[in-house]
Amino acid sequence: EVQVVETGGDLVQPGGSLRLSCAASEFTFTSYWIHWVRQAPGKGLVWVARIDGAGTVANYADSVKDRFTISRDNAKNTVYLQMSGLRAEDTALYYCVRSFHYYDMDVWGQGTTVTVSS
Amino acid sequence: DIVMTQSPLSLPVTPGEPASISCRSSQSLLHNSGSHNLNWYLQKPGQSPQLLIVLTSTRASGVPDRFSGSGSGTDFTLKISRVEAEDVGVYFCMQALQIPFTFGPGTKVDVK
Repeated sequence: EVQVVETGGDLVQPGGSLRLSCAASEFTFTSYWIHWVRQAPGKGLVWVARIDGAGTVANYADSVKDRFTISRDNAKNTVYLQMSGLRAEDTALYYCVRSFHYYDMDVWGQGTTVTVSS
Repeated sequence: DIVMTQSPLSLPVTPGEPASISCRSSQSLLHNSGSHNLNWYLQKPGQSPQLLIVLTSTRASGVPDRFSGSGSGTDFTLKISRVEAEDVGVYFCMQALQIPFTFGPGTKVDVK
């Protein structure tokens, strides 16, 4: 089954760091962009970052730029989101999503929860 | 950033009846390829979002043909020809023209 599975969510104090992982299976991983999209409790969807299949192009939302870093290990079929300087407003369910043509975000994971609180 | 708006924000529906959701963008979503980079997603209760429509009008794999998308420029519409009970949830439009990709606030569809 084609899928992406997120892990790594946790409760972290403000200013802390966390690394999320997105493991992909049953598709040609290097052919796909991978995006992170988050959803605060009871709120809408917010695009966070994306990385191309080769791992050479990365883009970020302004709200996370300089604090979050997206990367990928194509040998492990895994994308990472390294988060630092976490704030209460980063509290959300973080989804990993693939896209083939950069715009067609079609396979979503179940998400991993990040809670930033003291 | 491109701002996305949707209307209505809440839509009570009757099974078997049609339904329509509007989405507007703060600037044209026309890509230089000639397509409009507007997608529609449905988030069913307790689930992750699922892709319904890509590039304004192309149904994603497995999406029933009762769902259709249309529009151009800054105005887009998702139509459900005959609503079924399984169609309840929150519908989001999303522009994929420009980084950062941005979503509409969502339209909550539930059964009357």
